[in-house]
Amino acid sequence: QKEVEQNSGPLSVPEGAIASLNCTYSDRGSQSFFWYRQYSGKSPELIMSIYSNGDKEDGRFTAQLNKASQYVSLLIRDSQPSDSATYLCAVELGGTSYGKLTFGQGTILTVHP
Amino acid sequence: EAGVAQSPRYKIIEKRQSVAFWCNPISGHATLYWYQQILGQGPKLLIQFQNNGVVDDSQLPKDRFSAERLKGVDSTLKIQPAKLEDSAVYLCASSPGYQETQYFGPGTRLLVL
Repeated sequence: QKEVEQNSGPLSVPEGAIASLNCTYSDRGSQSFFWYRQYSGKSPELIMSIYSNGDKEDGRFTAQLNKASQYVSLLIRDSQPSDSATYLCAVELGGTSYGKLTFGQGTILTVHP
Repeated sequence: EAGVAQSPRYKIIEKRQSVAFWCNPISGHATLYWYQQILGQGPKLLIQFQNNGVVDDSQLPKDRFSAERLKGVDSTLKIQPAKLEDSAVYLCASSPGYQETQYFGPGTRLLVL
């Protein structure tokens, strides 16, 4: 089992729809969770971080965390073509106290007009 | 505020040759990370520095990879000798300290022939 696993893509949604990206992690002691966006040929950029169970909203983005199920998701409302990118889930696995992040393999999202 | 700088941006070498990458983090950032991102995968941490000390190098192939961060600022990552499987993007990131947002540089794309 991979330490951080994302739903296999690619994911294609029409403009204006909700895109749902999912991520599971193996270590129950993990405390910090991040979503990065990576455009083709570019470096990752942080879009959301979440540390507590529940939802966290930032504009069109909502991160959801369920530690009991070891599951974190990212919802993108009113998806735009400019949201087309690879979305990376990153987890600071339990037992690592130095900010070390373990990334999932990424989910490619395409928003078509 | 200037971002993380990396050079070169692209490098093509033949197997068994050596190569070095340079990173200049955001001013004042104490923590510096080197990641390897193979096409289609998420970034994998190779080494993490806190100032000029190594915090984590558990995933660094020490038989061929080396890294240093002199004076706690710039860092270099070296591969000697390179193998075909080292073809990847090498990303440098920095953060103000442990467990704070990591900011990525543009990366160095390495192709080993």
